[in-house]
Amino acid sequence: LAKTTQPISMDSYEGQEVNITCSHNNIATNDYITWYQQFPSQGPRFIIQGYKTKVTNEVASLFIPADRKSSTLSLPRVSLSDTAVYYCLVGDAYNQGGKLIFGQGTELSVKP
Amino acid sequence: SAVISQKPSRDICQRGTSLTIQCQVDSQVTMMFWYRQQPGQSLTLIATANQGSEATYESGFVIDKFPISRPNLTFSTLTVSNMSPEDSSIYLCSVAGGGRVNTEAFFGQGTRLTVV
Repeated sequence: LAKTTQPISMDSYEGQEVNITCSHNNIATNDYITWYQQFPSQGPRFIIQGYKTKVTNEVASLFIPADRKSSTLSLPRVSLSDTAVYYCLVGDAYNQGGKLIFGQGTELSVKP
Repeated sequence: SAVISQKPSRDICQRGTSLTIQCQVDSQVTMMFWYRQQPGQSLTLIATANQGSEATYESGFVIDKFPISRPNLTFSTLTVSNMSPEDSSIYLCSVAGGGRVNTEAFFGQGTRLTVV
């Protein structure tokens, strides 16, 4: 399974765009890149998933370069409620039997 | 999507005792997963629970310590046995979204266990 590396923590201010980069040098051909968000005292929540190029939904954008060895989660105009831990996961759900392997995550703190 | 309910949401237990955590899903699922999240840490998979067969445990976790039941397609329990303070963690139940492309998983709110 591909190992992921993310910054341990990041600080931002309300209204700013936040970009969290994840490194996954050993990503396999069948692997997808998925990001989860976890608030204190809650289970992780799916944010976005992609395979290559760019994916955008109502919450975030995910940028994946051609070599797929890294990815960047972009949160536009963050608010205080975006303070959470963000996990980057890389894997192939089908061949992993649905198991998820979490890395250390990035603790994002949004300040007023 | 799936809605997952866990009970209890939190508990404080004496060392040497056992606690059984319940996980109820609002739809039938083939596989359910149990994770542990130690204080300030990321999530670690304990085991995969399939209905009709024994759970599959990850390295470092054994059935005697974390027995799992899976009586039907919507319910599972995880027991933390003979607890010690090192077992103080959040235990989370999860189900997969299914399919090759969709790795979206759904999690319960977790059970915060404190062993004293």
